[in-house]
Amino acid sequence: DGGITQSPKYLFRKEGQNVTLSCEQNLNHDAMYWYRQDPGQGLRLIYYSQIVNDFQKGDIAEGYSVSREKKESFPLTVTSAQKNPTAFYLCASSIRGPYNEQFFGPGTRLTVL
Amino acid sequence: QKEVEQDPGPLSVPEGAIVSLNCTYSNSAFQYFMWYRQYSRKGPELLMYTYSSGNKEDGRFTAQVDKSSKYISLFIRDSQPSDSATYLCAMSDSGGSNYKLTFGKGTLLTVNP
Repeated sequence: DGGITQSPKYLFRKEGQNVTLSCEQNLNHDAMYWYRQDPGQGLRLIYYSQIVNDFQKGDIAEGYSVSREKKESFPLTVTSAQKNPTAFYLCASSIRGPYNEQFFGPGTRLTVL
Repeated sequence: QKEVEQDPGPLSVPEGAIVSLNCTYSNSAFQYFMWYRQYSRKGPELLMYTYSSGNKEDGRFTAQVDKSSKYISLFIRDSQPSDSATYLCAMSDSGGSNYKLTFGKGTLLTVNP
């Protein structure tokens, strides 16, 4: 089955720790995205990548980092610099181009204790 | 003024009702318009996609785009309890090289049996 997987589904972190969220896709998509979703805030773009070894900051990149070493993988690290990391994190992928229907993964819910 | 405005609801209707969900936007460069459905604690899934102005119908769902008014709508006919979800509008332009989607904050819909 083609799709996007995210792991873990639930993640708990102590303050001051970095954590890495996994995102893998087997849709052969060039573009991948990370969003954060908070109640009442909708989806906010953290980082996106249109091609391997290249990525750009989205609207709320502070306190986050990414890498794109492989086409299938786009991990997100939530660093200790992120002041309010508790949220639902969604990864998506799409073909490149203006018609970029984005396919979403199931999400990771991160809670900082 | 935010780029995309969407009434967050919540919207509660009886089973069988016609539901109208709407978004307004300010960026006249937007050409591609999408509606996503998101069940609680799941990733969004694409419902409808339209390019430029006009209507598109798929079963019980109809998407309308009025670019002159910068207004898009999603109509759900004969609504079912299984339609209970958050509905997100999203849009992108055809220029530039980033092809980002801009999302509304989502409208929470409950269809009561």
